[in-house]
Amino acid sequence: NAGVTQTPKFRVLKTGQSMTLLCAQDMNHEYMYWYRQDPGMGLRLIHYSVGEGTTAKGEVPDGYNVSRLKKQNFLLGLESAAPSQTSVYFCASSYGQGKAKNIQYFGAGTRLSVL
Amino acid sequence: AQSVAQPEDQVNVAEGNPLTVKCTYSVSGNPYLFWYVQYPNRGLQFLLKYITGDNLVKGSYGFEAEFNKSQTSFHLKKPSALVSDSALYFCAVRDDTGRRALTFGSGTRLQVQP
Repeated sequence: NAGVTQTPKFRVLKTGQSMTLLCAQDMNHEYMYWYRQDPGMGLRLIHYSVGEGTTAKGEVPDGYNVSRLKKQNFLLGLESAAPSQTSVYFCASSYGQGKAKNIQYFGAGTRLSVL
Repeated sequence: AQSVAQPEDQVNVAEGNPLTVKCTYSVSGNPYLFWYVQYPNRGLQFLLKYITGDNLVKGSYGFEAEFNKSQTSFHLKKPSALVSDSALYFCAVRDDTGRRALTFGSGTRLQVQP
């Protein structure tokens, strides 16, 4: 039971470098989300997708881009990393309809440090 | 805009004692409320939810939560705490728009002492 898989688990970047975080889910979920978790602030929504080929901004989208070319994958990109993007990033997914549509399933997270 | 408040950064309880982790919320429409738990170096795990129906919701691992509309609260409870319950607990409210994203509280660390 893979569920939601995030790669990589850890990464250290220098300011200005770029990288892509990959999220893959094997539950055939329609909805996918990227959150960031910072100490004392809970999780904040960066971007989300309600289906293959569609993406939209969340509360803190600046400095990030996303793509959902395949239903099972949701990519988060940092074009030019900044120290303020040091955080733990979580991907989540959920069904689009049915009784379970309200439950989000989370990956184990990616810990990113930007120096 | 919706919001969630968890007034306690940390809750300490002795094993075998009852525990309560507090949560209050603010939404413009009907609340969709959730509790998630996070163990060290892990993602969040769903514990329970309130959508409609009974005010007392039962969830995983013996946890339950009481929805109180007049006090806009959704406190997490367990009759008898275990050391293994020690973790970070998040209360969340789902937004009423098509995106169904969650707004999280800041989290409460539960420490259960043997």
